[in-house]
Amino acid sequence: DAKTTQPNSMESNEEEPVHLPCNHSTISGTDYIHWYRQLPSQGPEYVIHGLTSNVNNRMASLAIAEDRKSSTLILHRATLRDAAVYYCILRDTHNFNKFYFGSGTKLNVKP
Amino acid sequence: DVKVTQSSRYLVKRTGEKVFLECVQDMDHENMFWYRQDPGLGLRLIYFSYDVKMKEKGDIPEGYSVSREKKERFSLILESASTNQTSMYLCASTIQGGGLMPQHFGDGTRLSIL
Repeated sequence: DAKTTQPNSMESNEEEPVHLPCNHSTISGTDYIHWYRQLPSQGPEYVIHGLTSNVNNRMASLAIAEDRKSSTLILHRATLRDAAVYYCILRDTHNFNKFYFGSGTKLNVKP
Repeated sequence: DVKVTQSSRYLVKRTGEKVFLECVQDMDHENMFWYRQDPGLGLRLIYFSYDVKMKEKGDIPEGYSVSREKKERFSLILESASTNQTSMYLCASTIQGGGLMPQHFGDGTRLSIL
């Protein structure tokens, strides 16, 4: 299974943008890049996903490198409620049950 | 919004007991999943189901079984609980669509086996 590599932790100031990186050098052509986050004492929450092109939604933006070996989740204005563990995950189109979370990046947002 | 509800947030049971964890989703999703989450190990898939009465083993099915008698409900059963099954258990559901569709998770059940 293709794996992802993320920094263990990052820190941001409130109201500033945050760029969360993810490396996935063994990504295959059928892997979608998904991002989830997990707030304390809650289950994981879907944030965004993409295949090749950059994606935007109300929560965040996803920037995907041209070779697809890395991606960056962008929170445009961090709030205290964005403090969570962020997971970058690869999901194969044909094997939907394969869902490897890894350790993620713990984001701390300072007021 | 999709709602995935797990019956208990915290549960304490004794070694050897038969334990039932219940999960209900309200969006008519075909696929449902049970994971356990342990520090340093991420989420590991125990079982999943893609239809009523259908089930498939995940990566760590030993010591567990599941039941899906109705589309909205997916139960995880610990046949004879052991201390190494102390963990956070997460239920998820998703509509058909392979790797494209996001999974919707419940808030988890923190199970302690004494």
